[in-house]
Amino acid sequence: KAGVTQTPRYLIKTRGQQVTLSCSPISGHRSVSWYQQTPGQGLQFLFEYFSETQRNKGNFPGRFSGRQFSNSRSEMNVSTLELGDSALYLCASSLALSGHTEAFFGQGTRLTVV
Amino acid sequence: GQQLNQSPQSMFIQEGEDVSMNCTSSSIFNTWLWYKQDPGEGPVLLIALYKAGELTSNGRLTAQFGITRKDSFLNISASIPSDVGIYFCAGTYMNRDDKIIFGKGTRLHILP
Repeated sequence: KAGVTQTPRYLIKTRGQQVTLSCSPISGHRSVSWYQQTPGQGLQFLFEYFSETQRNKGNFPGRFSGRQFSNSRSEMNVSTLELGDSALYLCASSLALSGHTEAFFGQGTRLTVV
Repeated sequence: GQQLNQSPQSMFIQEGEDVSMNCTSSSIFNTWLWYKQDPGEGPVLLIALYKAGELTSNGRLTAQFGITRKDSFLNISASIPSDVGIYFCAGTYMNRDDKIIFGKGTRLHILP
């Protein structure tokens, strides 16, 4: 069974641009959560989608948004990129809401903003 | 919001030594999870614990779900170089937010 797939693995963007990251969850999983990880920081929760609906949201500005499709694949978008948005972005998939079951992570997308 | 206190923040040990790290919470958790993250990769689930008092092993790793349901520990025996990485604890508990809570991680360094 395939794991969680994130694309692309690496991305370089310039300030002011916008970026879209993609996450394909494990087959049968209906929840996708997104996290931002910067050096020295833990996992900062962005948002969680379940059955195409955003169920939870972390404390990030409105420039960070996401969506989930009917096949459970999810995308997150960051608009008007800032240098501080450089980070490893991780998605995790779960059978149900992440608070009820184990979460499995993808390899992440390393975003560098220059 | 709910937080997990994970300690120590980092550890420097000699190859072959045993390692112990733990997580505590002020609230009761239903599930404790332990993850390991290699540099530049996503965290990988090592052990999941579902019942208070449960002790579970995965090779050289052993984790326990505390009796009070407010803590968990992870032990690594006879550490080897590939054990280097960041170890995260995580917990789930029934609340209106219904999301998994992560500790800030323990960074393990192994000296040759």
